[in-house]
Amino acid sequence: QVQLVESGGGVVQPGGSLRLSCEVSLFTFSRYVMQWVRQAPGKGLEWVAFIRNDGSNEHADSVKGRFTISRDNSKNTLYLQMNSLRAEDTAMYYCVSGYYFDYWGQGTMVTVSS
Amino acid sequence: DIVMTQSPLSLPVTLGQPASISCRSSQSLVHSDGNTYLNWFQQRPGQSPRRLIYKVSNRDSGVPDRFSGGGSGTNFTLKISRVEAEDVGIYYCMQNTRWPFTFGPGTKVDVK
Repeated sequence: QVQLVESGGGVVQPGGSLRLSCEVSLFTFSRYVMQWVRQAPGKGLEWVAFIRNDGSNEHADSVKGRFTISRDNSKNTLYLQMNSLRAEDTAMYYCVSGYYFDYWGQGTMVTVSS
Repeated sequence: DIVMTQSPLSLPVTLGQPASISCRSSQSLVHSDGNTYLNWFQQRPGQSPRRLIYKVSNRDSGVPDRFSGGGSGTNFTLKISRVEAEDVGIYYCMQNTRWPFTFGPGTKVDVK
């Protein structure tokens, strides 16, 4: 059973930074595409970022230049570095495995507020 | 960007009756490799989303066979042959044929 456990969420002021982590219990983690998806309170799902097993990546326009997805295959861990946070970044952030969004974590909540 | 639309946005259902959700994309979802990357997700109240269907019609293991997906090009459908109480939630279609990946707005399914 694949498990994805996110951490690092919290309350941050506008303009601040946070780094989200996602520990993945998957012995073949290094071979998997990984992604982040977010959901603002009471809203729908929004794709945020994607990273291949070689580290190449894509980001949504709404976060490009502010957020960076990365991974440490030796630690089976996915990251999302979030800088210059805005109120509209307030959301539950889900770590997702696979190109086809196979498995989802429970999410970590990020609140951007003064 | 490819815009995904769903209808209806709210779907009151009678238990034991069929239900159908439509998903349309603003562009064809046929990839240059010949595959169509259209997926369906279910989000039960208070839970994370989970995938039900990938590449239009491939049902995930553990997903009841009352769920089926179909369609092609720009028009897709998720069908539930007989709705059960555990099917209450929000259903999203999503395309990962072209960047950026995009989700539909969701269809809320609840019991009449």
